[in-house]
Amino acid sequence: ETGVTQSPTHLIKTRGQQVTLRCSSQSGHNTVSWYQQALGQGPQFIFQYYREEENGRGNFPPRFSGLQFPNYSSELNVNALELDDSALYLCASSVREPFANTGELFFGEGSRLTVL
Amino acid sequence: AQSVSQHNHHVILSEAASLELGCNYSYGGTVNLFWYVQYPGQHLQLLLKYFSGDPLVKGIKGFEAEFIKSKFSFNLRKPSVQWSDTAEYFCAVMGENFNKFYFGSGTKLNVKP
Repeated sequence: ETGVTQSPTHLIKTRGQQVTLRCSSQSGHNTVSWYQQALGQGPQFIFQYYREEENGRGNFPPRFSGLQFPNYSSELNVNALELDDSALYLCASSVREPFANTGELFFGEGSRLTVL
Repeated sequence: AQSVSQHNHHVILSEAASLELGCNYSYGGTVNLFWYVQYPGQHLQLLLKYFSGDPLVKGIKGFEAEFIKSKFSFNLRKPSVQWSDTAEYFCAVMGENFNKFYFGSGTKLNVKP
């Protein structure tokens, strides 16, 4: 167990709808990152939040947005869903400090999104 | 553009065979390198990592990896695999600012008892 929990585990949406996925980080972790994993592919980096601000982003359009809360829980929001957004969405927490970056990610089980 | 390539998508070995999984990366700057593993029904977890220093790093369960800067490679090795090593293995690169991760497409390893 990593201590990272995600909800919901599965959900179905239709094209054009909006979705919010949630993540609770491992205790003591101040950084969260989100990934999209399509079937048969590796995780694709969406963005990272550190101290409630986005500090890194992959090649995803602005309709993918996020939040990190003071308790280090996090949300991923996707607007105007497209069929290609169907994937497993992974949340990972980590510790980021000026002189103590381990770089190790602790992953949750993921939320599987199906867009019809 | 930054990318990570894993050459073997599916590897089948018998127990006690030696393993080498290839990983090449393309990244313009200092890199930190990782191998993650996902056992059946479990979440992704860290196998080993390289930040600096000795380019041969050892991880859990007898795995090791060698960073060859001139070849932009970080291959994973194990001298003798076990059935319990059946899993999917992902190579990953993290930029020097610790704010972006790039994963390869993964290699599924099936070890036959």
